[in-house]
Amino acid sequence: NAGVTQTPKFRVLKTGQSMTLLCAQDMNHEYMYWYRQDPGMGLRLIHYSVGEGTTAKGEVPDGYNVSRLKKQNFLLGLESAAPSQTSVYFCASSYLREGQETQYFGPGTRLLVL
Amino acid sequence: AQSVAQPEDQVNVAEGNPLTVKCTYSVSGNPYLFWYVQYPNRGLQFLLKYITGDNLVKGSYGFEAEFNKSQTSFHLKKPSALVSDSALYFCAVRDGTGRRALTFGSGTRLQVQP
Repeated sequence: NAGVTQTPKFRVLKTGQSMTLLCAQDMNHEYMYWYRQDPGMGLRLIHYSVGEGTTAKGEVPDGYNVSRLKKQNFLLGLESAAPSQTSVYFCASSYLREGQETQYFGPGTRLLVL
Repeated sequence: AQSVAQPEDQVNVAEGNPLTVKCTYSVSGNPYLFWYVQYPNRGLQFLLKYITGDNLVKGSYGFEAEFNKSQTSFHLKKPSALVSDSALYFCAVRDGTGRRALTFGSGTRLQVQP
């Protein structure tokens, strides 16, 4: 049982390049989330998904797109990377059921945009 | 909109002494409150949560938190600190809407000196 995994662990991009971050969970969770962590700001929600085939915007969605084609995977895409997207990205997942909504986090992806 | 405040950027405590990491929140409706810990270059690990019931919540690694509705606080405590408790601690409140996303505080760095 690997929990929540993220690939890659670290990536350097040039401004304007694109990339996809992959999140996978093996806990059969319905909910999945993408957050970004910046110094002194805690974590901020980018996009989330309440189930396979559905996605929605969070607080800071601009410049990102997501897809959830399979229940266990949640992809975060950057179409044209900008230096402001330099951050650490965390994926999380949780159950739908009330009382079991604790979110479990992946190890993070550190992204540097030059 | 909901919010979480962690008024201390850093807390220093000697090993063996009790520790407190402060958190206050603002949310409409009943609060769902969480504490997470982050070790260097790692993801967030769940410590404990308050949903309903007893105001004193016990969690992992000997941590506990006290929910105080009148003061809208959810302080994290431990009777005897260990050097290995040194890490970044985040308080979070769950979204009352269907998305159930977490709103995080800015984090408090706990430094336990030997």
